[in-house]
Amino acid sequence: GAVVSQHPSRVICKSGTSVKIECRSLDFQATTMFWYRQFPKQSLMLMATSNEGSKATYEQGVEKDKFLINHASLTLSTLTVTSAHPEDSSFYICSARGSEKLFFGSGTQLSVL
Amino acid sequence: ELKVEQNPLFLSMQEGKNYTIYCNYSTTSDRLYWYRQDPGKSLESLFVLLSNGAVKQEGRLMASLDTKARLSTLHITAAVHDLSATYFCAVLRWAGNLIFGKGTKLSVKP
Repeated sequence: GAVVSQHPSRVICKSGTSVKIECRSLDFQATTMFWYRQFPKQSLMLMATSNEGSKATYEQGVEKDKFLINHASLTLSTLTVTSAHPEDSSFYICSARGSEKLFFGSGTQLSVL
Repeated sequence: ELKVEQNPLFLSMQEGKNYTIYCNYSTTSDRLYWYRQDPGKSLESLFVLLSNGAVKQEGRLMASLDTKARLSTLHITAAVHDLSATYFCAVLRWAGNLIFGKGTKLSVKP
């Protein structure tokens, strides 16, 4: 079964609203989780590294005030897209490390109208 | 800065044929991963390659790693339609996250 659970799988929202995406490691503890974004027919781009109990580390060009990351426990990280705009529409995927493998969530397709 | 280059980006194959996807990376890394992605879906882990000379096989897919050349290959043997998908290689960065290649969209036709 899935070892990383991501919800919701799909969300449609109005421009200007905020959307929260959850990523949970189901049977292991993850001190670090990663958030990626994938535009249609493109590769995955790392957005940020989520660290349990501390601030996230953002990649260059990613607005930390727009993409809020909270890693409140060893099994849960959340990504909140604040004041979403149509250009934020994308496929967001989280991942977490378990031993030598990196497990990926099922992804969230965000559509901002 | 770690860069990962994958080629070809598009590959149209006939069933039964063999082909290889290449993945070059720019700096030393401990691990290289291969993933499969179907349209609208997340990533399915195929292989994790940990050391120079590593070779792993699963069904019609075989992956290898040459850390000296900073090159990994994904070889497809006797392709079948079910293998149609996008394949990504990804290299582990020191920070523990992955840098992905651009992906190879594989289309296997009868």
